[in-house]
Amino acid sequence: QQPVQSPQAVILREGEDAVINCSSSKALYSVHWYRQKHGEAPVFLMILLKGGEQKGHEKISASFNEKKQQSSLYLTASQLSYSGTYFCAPPWGSGTYKYIFGTGTRLKVLA
Amino acid sequence: DAGVIQSPRHEVTEMGQEVTLRCKPISGHDYLFWYRQTMMRGLELLIYFNNNVPIDDSGMPEDRFSAKMPNASFSTLKIQPSEPRDSAVYFCASSSDENNEQFFGPGTRLTVL
Repeated sequence: QQPVQSPQAVILREGEDAVINCSSSKALYSVHWYRQKHGEAPVFLMILLKGGEQKGHEKISASFNEKKQQSSLYLTASQLSYSGTYFCAPPWGSGTYKYIFGTGTRLKVLA
Repeated sequence: DAGVIQSPRHEVTEMGQEVTLRCKPISGHDYLFWYRQTMMRGLELLIYFNNNVPIDDSGMPEDRFSAKMPNASFSTLKIQPSEPRDSAVYFCASSSDENNEQFFGPGTRLTVL
């Protein structure tokens, strides 16, 4: 039931791009994305809505695949501050605020 | 606004003791969420409230856990009796209806010996 994210971990050089995937067993109505730095609370990055509209970070974007059972997060020109663990969090169903956080992707950006 | 406030930040207790975690959501937010985070299970939703009313408590592990929200500015999560497997970081988050962006508190690190 918990969305599965891939890759589990990724290391980048500053300025490189990254893609993080979030796969669900159910169709996704929307997806929130969060980033959590070590020892801190998760911080909201963006929301991907059903029609593909996005609200949030200017250098981070997201999309659904054709069947809307997978969402991908795109990090462009990564910065050192992008390091952390990324979580997708889709609602469990339409009209619910029960968000199920994914398994997480650890991202480290090196100088 | 000060953001979501949680207390205590750290709690160390012995097995069998009662533990109460506290949360003050952001003023004006209608939704309040309690999460638990462990290495093994990740970030789990325990319960969420809307306008002080519990909407979904299906994530509460067992009867030892209870949560209340007596008013719009205060919520508690109680564990009685506590067990070592309850050791985790407990987060409280709040959101308004628009987009449901959740603002997380700093968390309470609970250690049950």
